[in-house]
Amino acid sequence: AQTVTQSQPEMSVQEAETVTLSCTYDTSESDYYLFWYKQPPSRQMILVIRQEAYKQQNATENRFSVNFQKAAKSFSLKISDSQLGDAAMYFCAYIGGAQKLVFGQGTRLTINP
Amino acid sequence: GVTQSPTHLIKTRGQQVTLRCSSQSGHNTVSWYQQALGQGPQFIFQYYREEENGRGNFPPRFSGLQFPNDSSELNVNALELDDSALYLCASSLAGTGGYGYTFGSGTRLTVV
Repeated sequence: AQTVTQSQPEMSVQEAETVTLSCTYDTSESDYYLFWYKQPPSRQMILVIRQEAYKQQNATENRFSVNFQKAAKSFSLKISDSQLGDAAMYFCAYIGGAQKLVFGQGTRLTINP
Repeated sequence: GVTQSPTHLIKTRGQQVTLRCSSQSGHNTVSWYQQALGQGPQFIFQYYREEENGRGNFPPRFSGLQFPNDSSELNVNALELDDSALYLCASSLAGTGGYGYTFGSGTRLTVV
């Protein structure tokens, strides 16, 4: 069974600084996707960024980028120029052939003004 | 988007509850997740064309329905205190899970 692990329960960063959230996963599948979801107090899961496992190039979406290390099964999220609106729970997630999302435990990100 | 009702619900242990979800327009697959406080969501089950086509590690008292208009229900019988959680509904087009699911804002269920 696939597992996703986020080892940082909480992180904090100064506004305008850069922060990196860590995620590792375990799978025997070769074709899969990885995601970072943001969950603000409104509770709705919002897709931040996605990575296709067969693509070596790291995904980037504006201030958000990932460092995907397939051999190490590592998938970290870097947030540049942190903004107050980035404060939320962040979940790393995996989806493979079973087409069901497997989530990590989450990292609570606090932005200090 | 995906809409869920109700937003909050309080039930007594042993009762039954029905949670509702309306999928994003054009989506034909709906999944349900349970998110306990301070935890990541856990997959309950998924429906496609009104049939269950995947289930997580949840007992049979968790059941669901998907209707032709792509709305769906999650039913939980014989509620237990540990069923207290946020229940999230997510929709997608079949086979496109790799592009991510669209989530609702969830139903917060409290069992007392």
